[in-house]
Amino acid sequence: AQKVTQAQTEISVVEKEDVTLDCVYETRDTTYYLFWYKQPPSGELVFLIRRNSFDEQNEISGRYSWNFQKSTSSFNFTITASQVVDSAVYFCALSADAGNMLTFGGGTRLMVKP
Amino acid sequence: DTGVSQNPRHKITKRGQNVTFRCDPISEHNRLYWYRQTLGQGPEFLTYFQNEAQLEKSRLLSDRFSAERPKGSFSTLEIQRTEQGDSAMYLCAIPGGGAGSLSYEQYFGPGTRLTVT
Repeated sequence: AQKVTQAQTEISVVEKEDVTLDCVYETRDTTYYLFWYKQPPSGELVFLIRRNSFDEQNEISGRYSWNFQKSTSSFNFTITASQVVDSAVYFCALSADAGNMLTFGGGTRLMVKP
Repeated sequence: DTGVSQNPRHKITKRGQNVTFRCDPISEHNRLYWYRQTLGQGPEFLTYFQNEAQLEKSRLLSDRFSAERPKGSFSTLEIQRTEQGDSAMYLCAIPGGGAGSLSYEQYFGPGTRLTVT
């Protein structure tokens, strides 16, 4: 069975602070895929990134960066110089293969205050 | 725009009534997924279709729930004899990529929020 744990239910930061959202996963599959989604107050889930289990390179996209560590089964997400528009619920998810169902964590609510 | 529309966006119903939701991908996709998201939780998988065939169902999908995808395009999710515990956001998703591709990520519609009173 697959499981995704986001231990931080809520994080509050002041604008321009850096913040890291933690994600720990469990799976018996040797190949799997990890994702991050953003759910702003409007409610729609927005895909941010996918990472394959066989590619442990970290990735940076603007103010966003992702740190995948297979040894600790973690896929953490860092927002640098946070902005109010980053306020949302962020979900980490796991899939066994292309086209398979996604298993989501419980989400982390990020509040960025001006 | 994720290319998925869902109707209605909101539905309020009384306990015991039947409700039906619809999901319309803008373009053709082999696969279509349904998830449910309760307040303060992450989405949970309900079922998915490969064209018209319903290939997998979660144990969350009790016998009061039925989903169809009659022509391999739009899909409907019906809940019979609704209960208060059915109150949730019902999300439809399609894979990224072209019509025949199986992309790893999924793109979600805006959802239908169901409130059972």
